[in-house]
Amino acid sequence: GNSVTQMEGPVTLSEEAFLTINCTYTATGYPSLFWYVQYPGEGLQLLLKATKADDKGSNKGFEATYRKETTSFHLEKGSVQVSDSAVYFCALRWTSGTYKYIFGTGTRLKVLA
Amino acid sequence: NAGVTQTPKFQVLKTGQSMTLQCAQDMNHNSMYWYRQDPGMGLRLIYYSASEGTTDKGEVPNGYNVSRLNKREFSLRLESAAPSQTSVYFCASRRPGTGNTEAFFGQGTRLTVV
Repeated sequence: GNSVTQMEGPVTLSEEAFLTINCTYTATGYPSLFWYVQYPGEGLQLLLKATKADDKGSNKGFEATYRKETTSFHLEKGSVQVSDSAVYFCALRWTSGTYKYIFGTGTRLKVLA
Repeated sequence: NAGVTQTPKFQVLKTGQSMTLQCAQDMNHNSMYWYRQDPGMGLRLIYYSASEGTTDKGEVPNGYNVSRLNKREFSLRLESAAPSQTSVYFCASRRPGTGNTEAFFGQGTRLTVV
């Protein structure tokens, strides 16, 4: 079936360190891929998305590239800040036939000053 | 813009009690969703509604019912709450379009069943 697998957290980094959060997926067809961020006590907010192979989504210094050959959508940021501390969710959605999103289990990021 | 509004934000229930979680969106979205979030399990879909008047089960529908009252509102009802339903509940909506449109989330309802 369709699924999303994320690296387990928590991930603890020092400020200005490089961040990678791995995400791989299993899906039939050509899903759209998303990264959502959840700050403490809040709902999920869209961080970035990509809709087809080799697309790169970017926002707030975060990037992720839709890699169909490796079925991956890894999240990266060159220099994290304390304010990036949050839980990050990878998600996919099919482009037709269903209205469901599938989320990964989330990766908690803690950035230390 | 209000976006997706959920009420209440916090609730404590006793086992066997019933309650309804309310959700409303003001973005004229067709699709609406209810998820629960549990530690180590991410978000799991309870029910969704592709449009006004339609609802479908998600991954974990047992113990829940939903009503798509109109285009704006999508409520989730627990008829007889159980401790296993202790969770954070999120409502979301999505605008019409192809698969690349994102979902917008409410701030969540933290429910504890004792």
